[in-house]
Amino acid sequence: AQTVTQSQPEMSVQEAETVTLSCTYDTSESDYYLFWYKQPPSRQMILVIRQEAYKQQNATENRFSVNFQKAAKSFSLKISDSQLGDAAMYFCAYRGYGGSQGNLIFGKGTKLSVKP
Amino acid sequence: GAGVSQSPSNKVTEKGKDVELRCDPISGHTALYWYRQRLGQGLEFLIYFQGNSAPDKSGLPSDRFSAERTGESVSTLTIQRTQQEDSAVYLCASSPRVRGLHEQYFGPGTRLTVT
Repeated sequence: AQTVTQSQPEMSVQEAETVTLSCTYDTSESDYYLFWYKQPPSRQMILVIRQEAYKQQNATENRFSVNFQKAAKSFSLKISDSQLGDAAMYFCAYRGYGGSQGNLIFGKGTKLSVKP
Repeated sequence: GAGVSQSPSNKVTEKGKDVELRCDPISGHTALYWYRQRLGQGLEFLIYFQGNSAPDKSGLPSDRFSAERTGESVSTLTIQRTQQEDSAVYLCASSPRVRGLHEQYFGPGTRLTVT
């Protein structure tokens, strides 16, 4: 079974600085998708960025980028120029490519605080 | 357009009572998912629907949990004889299809508290 591990329960960053959130996963599949979701106190899960495992190029979305290391099964999220609105829980998630269910498998999350 | 909506937003119930949680997906989305989020934890997959069919119910925690969906529309998650360990936020998500890189769009969740 696939698992997702986020080893940092909490992280803190100064406003305008850069922070990296770690995520590792375990799978025997060769093709899959990886996601980072943000969950603010409102509980609304918001997609931050996604990566297809067969693509070598790391995904980027404005201030958010990933470092995808397929061999190491690592998928870290880098937030540049951190803003107060980035404070939230961040969840790393995995989804199989060929599976019939399409459900996401989540890590336990990292709580990010942004200091002014 | 309208996103995924869930009702109620919060529900407090007594142990042993039955509860129904509702999810209205984005119109036209074939796939619908239910997840449970316990305090301080990640999301735990419960069940998914492709149309109104739920091919695999093995993620449901016990036989007290059941779910149904009307066509490609509203879904209800029912918990019978609630227990304190059922206290959690129940999140629903919908997606255009089951496969592919389609984003799952989440609702705001229902916070269930069993006293």
